[in-house]
Amino acid sequence: AQSVTQLDSQVPVFEEAPVELRCNYSSSVSVYLFWYVQYPNQGLQLLLKYLSGSTLVESINGFEAEFNKSQTSFHLRKPSVHISDTAEYFCAVSEMDTGGFKTIFGAGTRLFVKA
Amino acid sequence: DGGITQSPKYLFRKEGQNVTLSCEQNLNHDAMYWYRQDPGQGLRLIYYSQIVNDFQKGDIAEGYSVSREKKESFPLTVTSAQKNPTAFYLCASSIRSGGANVLTFGAGSRLTVL
Repeated sequence: AQSVTQLDSQVPVFEEAPVELRCNYSSSVSVYLFWYVQYPNQGLQLLLKYLSGSTLVESINGFEAEFNKSQTSFHLRKPSVHISDTAEYFCAVSEMDTGGFKTIFGAGTRLFVKA
Repeated sequence: DGGITQSPKYLFRKEGQNVTLSCEQNLNHDAMYWYRQDPGQGLRLIYYSQIVNDFQKGDIAEGYSVSREKKESFPLTVTSAQKNPTAFYLCASSIRSGGANVLTFGAGSRLTVL
């Protein structure tokens, strides 16, 4: 079974600074990778996904993630963060099981943007 | 608007009581999921269902039960057998995209056992 490791539980950063949230996954033949974001007391929202093709994927609000097969990583980056980016970010991998597709999540990284 | 509705948003339960959390979707998605979220542990899969009248246990199914009698509905019952039920519960549904499932989540239900 797949597993996902998010290496940082909390990342404090100043506004307008760059940030990287790290994610590693266990190896598999076919890999589908995701980043989801959760604001306080809400459900998760899809931020971006890698299914195939270009290894660099981008979101509409300036985040990007790069699929690195040799390092089994899918780190999330943003060159300049805003206060509104404060949230918890989850890396996830989708795998096929006997009952169909299921998604495995990492433990989450709490991004705290300071003024 | 299409989406997933979870109710209630907050729920308090005495020890020994069963409680049922509702999840309804109008997205016409085939697959539905229940996750449990605890601080520092991410999301753990409780049950999932790919089609009506069929469901599979996830990683932490003990003490929980589900049904899938309609495509739109996937209620979760937290039974008295669940040793530590206080948590945030998230329901999701999915559509296949490029061979993988992309999840849409509800707003969650927070269960507190008194």
